[in-house]
Amino acid sequence: DGGITQSPKYLFRKEGQNVTLSCEQNLNHDAMYWYRQDPGQGLRLIYYSQIVNDFQKGDIAEGYSVSREKKESFPLTVTSAQKNPTAFYLCASTMGFLNTEAFFGQGTRLTVV
Amino acid sequence: AQKVTQAQTEISVVEKEDVTLDCVYETRDTTYYLFWYKQPPSGELVFLIRRNSFDEQNEISGRYSWNFQKSTSSFNFTITASQVVDSAVYFCALLEGSASKIIFGSGTRLSIRP
Repeated sequence: DGGITQSPKYLFRKEGQNVTLSCEQNLNHDAMYWYRQDPGQGLRLIYYSQIVNDFQKGDIAEGYSVSREKKESFPLTVTSAQKNPTAFYLCASTMGFLNTEAFFGQGTRLTVV
Repeated sequence: AQKVTQAQTEISVVEKEDVTLDCVYETRDTTYYLFWYKQPPSGELVFLIRRNSFDEQNEISGRYSWNFQKSTSSFNFTITASQVVDSAVYFCALLEGSASKIIFGSGTRLSIRP
């Protein structure tokens, strides 16, 4: 079955450590996105990528980094520079503008202790 | 700049009541898409509907209906005869062609009481 896989579902890290969240899709989608969701709040865009080897900052990119070396993969690294990293992270993908239903992964809940 | 506003933070109704979730958007583009997603307690977003800017026809899918009005920049979502299983957070979202990124509203938490 086609879809988006985020791993792990729950992640605990010590303060000051970098951590990488995985996002893989087998939908052959061109565009991929990372969103952050805080309790009781909406989704804020961190980074997005329209094609391989290219990505753009979203609204809250500070303290995060991404790479897009393969079409199917868009990992997100939460660096020690992110002051408040505990949140729920969602990855999404779309074929492109003309076919734009966005598919979402199940999310990764990151807790920094 | 693009923006999506969901003014209703939380709504609570009794089962079988009808409920409307409001969504107001801002965009300078003439070509764009609007979406509604449902987020159950499990966290994963479930796609409900996509509407492009050139199609103002209202849509009905079972108990769900959507009213798209470009004149008021609104894309409201109505659930008829609500059920407890409808309890979730609902998000409205906008994709502009020029920006190529999907922007979400802050969401409306809907609680259906038995």
